[in-house]
Amino acid sequence: AQSVTQPDIHITVSEGASLELRCNYSYGATPYLFWYVQSPGQGLQLLLKYFSGDTLVQGIKGFEAEFKRSQSSFNLRKPSVHWSDAAEYFCAVGAYGNKLVFGAGTILRVKS
Amino acid sequence: DTGVSQDPRHKITKRGQNVTFRCDPISEHNRLYWYRQTLGQGPEFLTYFQNEAQLEKSRLLSDRFSAERPKGSFSTLEIQRTEQGDSAMYLCASSFPGLAGGRETQYFGPGTRLLVL
Repeated sequence: AQSVTQPDIHITVSEGASLELRCNYSYGATPYLFWYVQSPGQGLQLLLKYFSGDTLVQGIKGFEAEFKRSQSSFNLRKPSVHWSDAAEYFCAVGAYGNKLVFGAGTILRVKS
Repeated sequence: DTGVSQDPRHKITKRGQNVTFRCDPISEHNRLYWYRQTLGQGPEFLTYFQNEAQLEKSRLLSDRFSAERPKGSFSTLEIQRTEQGDSAMYLCASSFPGLAGGRETQYFGPGTRLLVL
């Protein structure tokens, strides 16, 4: 069965510091991978996606992610975090039958 | 260009009551998904429609839950005889399938937060 692991429940970074959120997936075929962000009480906003091709994908708000098949990972990065980036981040894999399978999320806190 | 909308945004009900939620997808998106998100967890798939056909249902969708998409546009999710364990955020998403092998991007609505007392 497909699964997604986000090992870090909470991460705190200082404003202006770099950020990396980890995501590992388990999937038997070529994965379609996504990162979404959720502010408190809100729905999910798509940050970026990987379908094929270049393994480094760029997204909105200055985020990028790198697909590493050998490590079954799709880590999210940002070179300089802004206070407005504080939110919960979800990694997801597009599974059989088109549904998304999500990780449990990582809550990002930004220190000023 | 309007996104996915959901109504109501919040619902408080007493145990045993029935509730119904509505989702309006992005126009021309023929796939519509329902997910449930409990506190501290990622969303979990409940069911999805392609046009008006319900193509897959999760085992999470007990017989108290029913979803419809009668004209292939908006969808409703009804929960009968609500239980406290039904308290969650119910998220709707829509997509338009890509041309290549099912690659698609799901766009989410703001969700309906249900509290069962």
